[in-house]
Amino acid sequence: KQEVTQIPAALSVPEGENLVLNCSFTDSAIYNLQWFRQDPGKGLTSLLLIQSSQREQTSGRLNASLDKSSGRSTLYIAASQPGDSATYLCAVYMIYNQGGKLIFGQGTELSVKP
Amino acid sequence: DADVTQTPRNRITKTGKRIMLECSQTKGHDRMYWYRQDPGLGLRLIYYSFDVKDINKGEISDGYSVSRQAQAKFSLSLESAIPNQTALYFCATSGQGGWGITDTQYFGPGTRLTVL
Repeated sequence: KQEVTQIPAALSVPEGENLVLNCSFTDSAIYNLQWFRQDPGKGLTSLLLIQSSQREQTSGRLNASLDKSSGRSTLYIAASQPGDSATYLCAVYMIYNQGGKLIFGQGTELSVKP
Repeated sequence: DADVTQTPRNRITKTGKRIMLECSQTKGHDRMYWYRQDPGLGLRLIYYSFDVKDINKGEISDGYSVSRQAQAKFSLSLESAIPNQTALYFCATSGQGGWGITDTQYFGPGTRLTVL
């Protein structure tokens, strides 16, 4: 059974710092991995999607890496800003005989202090 | 306007009541999903539908039912609500990617349900 774990559960940093959020998964047979941002009252927004054959994806100040063999992904945020404060979720997409589904980690709550 | 909308956004109800949560999408996607989020447990899949005639159970479907009224509408019902169904509920949609694989999922804003 696939299990997705995110560490730390919460993180507080001063504005301007570079930071790394971690995600680990127990079954390396994933189809892809996504990082989402969750803001209170606004649902989830997809930030980056990494296919299983890829090692990393970049979007602006965000860079996500994937190491399938070790079951790990990291989300790197450069020059953090107060507007980055949110909960960040990683999810892996698994393929099963009857279809496929996303399996989520518990999330990391990030607070960026001005 | 939001691509995925959910109504109501907040609901407080009593044990034993029947509750319906509604989801509408304007993205033209065939695939729709219902998740619940509990503190410390992440999001878990309740039901999903790959088209109007297709309904599938997720990992925690007991106590829930769904109806896919149209391509754009997918509702979740709690026939007899109980307190441990208190959670944040999300609807999501996705297109179909290569080889029938689900494309990126787009989420609604969530419905906060409290069962007393």
